[in-house]
Amino acid sequence: GESVGLHLPTLSVQEGDNSIINCAYSNSASDYFIWYKQESGKGPQFIIDIRSNMDKRQGQRVTVLLNKTVKHLSLQIAATQPGDSAVYFCAETPSNKLIFGAGTRLAVHP
Amino acid sequence: NAGVTQTPKFQVLKTGQSMTLQCAQDMNHNSMYWYRQDPGMGLRLIYYSASEGTTDKGEVPNGYNVSRLNKREFSLRLESAAPSQTSVYFCASSEMWGENEKLFFGSGTQLSVL
Repeated sequence: GESVGLHLPTLSVQEGDNSIINCAYSNSASDYFIWYKQESGKGPQFIIDIRSNMDKRQGQRVTVLLNKTVKHLSLQIAATQPGDSAVYFCAETPSNKLIFGAGTRLAVHP
Repeated sequence: NAGVTQTPKFQVLKTGQSMTLQCAQDMNHNSMYWYRQDPGMGLRLIYYSASEGTTDKGEVPNGYNVSRLNKREFSLRLESAAPSQTSVYFCASSEMWGENEKLFFGSGTQLSVL
């Protein structure tokens, strides 16, 4: 079946650096994408979303980039903070249902 | 505003036992969902309810049943628990079905089946 995958299972960054988390999606029919953050012991928390008619969207310290040509999604976190340490999931919606990737763990070191 | 509330937070069952996971949302959302999360895998949809009075199978429905009790509540039942159902279960809700809207998640139920 269709799936969403991530390039890096674990990403370690220094506090203050920028983080980039990548995601490859497989269904060209997907027209909506979401990034979720999951802290240990908690449920996924919405970060930012983007529709397929856009290639970039910015939030507070976060930017999502969408490249439909290569079916690639990325989440950029500016000035990464210890509170950003979590697992990040991308998700796509090829058929009215969210399909989640396996997740990337972001570890922020002082 | 509590959002999505799940109970219990932890549960240990023996193989063959039954139990019901409860979920309630106070955001007046129309759609509700049950996911399971296993190590190294993304969230997988078990069942969903697009609106009050309807339920449909997701990706991994075998061994589960659901009930949309009313607009607020959506329960997940394991009739005869199996070790393969050891997982973390998340309930979620969204305002509408099929409108490409974000889901709001509860804090999860960690279930172990021995």
